[in-house]
Amino acid sequence: DVKVTQSSRYLVKRTGEKVFLECVQDMDHENMFWYRQDPGLGLRLIYFSYDVKMKEKGDIPEGYSVSREKKERFSLILESASTNQTSMYLCASSPVAGPYEQYFGPGTRLTVT
Amino acid sequence: AQSVTQLDSQVPVFEEAPVELRCNYSSSVSVYLFWYVQYPNQGLQLLLKYLSGSTLVKGINGFEAEFNKSQTSFHLRKPSVHISDTAEYFCAVSDWNTGNQFYFGTGTSLTVIP
Repeated sequence: DVKVTQSSRYLVKRTGEKVFLECVQDMDHENMFWYRQDPGLGLRLIYFSYDVKMKEKGDIPEGYSVSREKKERFSLILESASTNQTSMYLCASSPVAGPYEQYFGPGTRLTVT
Repeated sequence: AQSVTQLDSQVPVFEEAPVELRCNYSSSVSVYLFWYVQYPNQGLQLLLKYLSGSTLVKGINGFEAEFNKSQTSFHLRKPSVHISDTAEYFCAVSDWNTGNQFYFGTGTSLTVIP
């Protein structure tokens, strides 16, 4: 079974803090994705990566950055957290030969106060 | 870019009744279609997918969906729902142009009433 894990299920941070969300997958997938999920808006793509050290902006990259130093790990960074970044963050992975399904982690619910 | 519309944000249905969750997408180019389910406080789990071939696709937990190219729709159905089907359901689309990038609908919250 594919397993995608995220470093925290719940996280509370203060405005202005630097926040790291980590995602690890164990199926040697080339593609990894970060989404945020908000009520009524569905899932919106923040960043994705096709390979180590490669990244592409999604639909809402402002205020976020990513890092992919190893194939299995994809980190989302909030450089200076703001209250409007309070949300559920979902990580996903998929093999490069598509269009295969994306496999999702359990999510991190981030609250910025 | 694709646009995915899930017209019903909330669908209440009685236990053992049939249900249909609607999904429409914008482009008529060759598409790949997916339905995911999200149970409370969990990530998304794949219910079923259409890549090619038969337009009627069967998935897990008794769900099925029908691809209709002329109407650009991919509606999800179940003939008899259970309490355990209460969850959020998301339709997703990708196509030849977007490759591995998915476009998601805004979700439909299904509530099964005892």
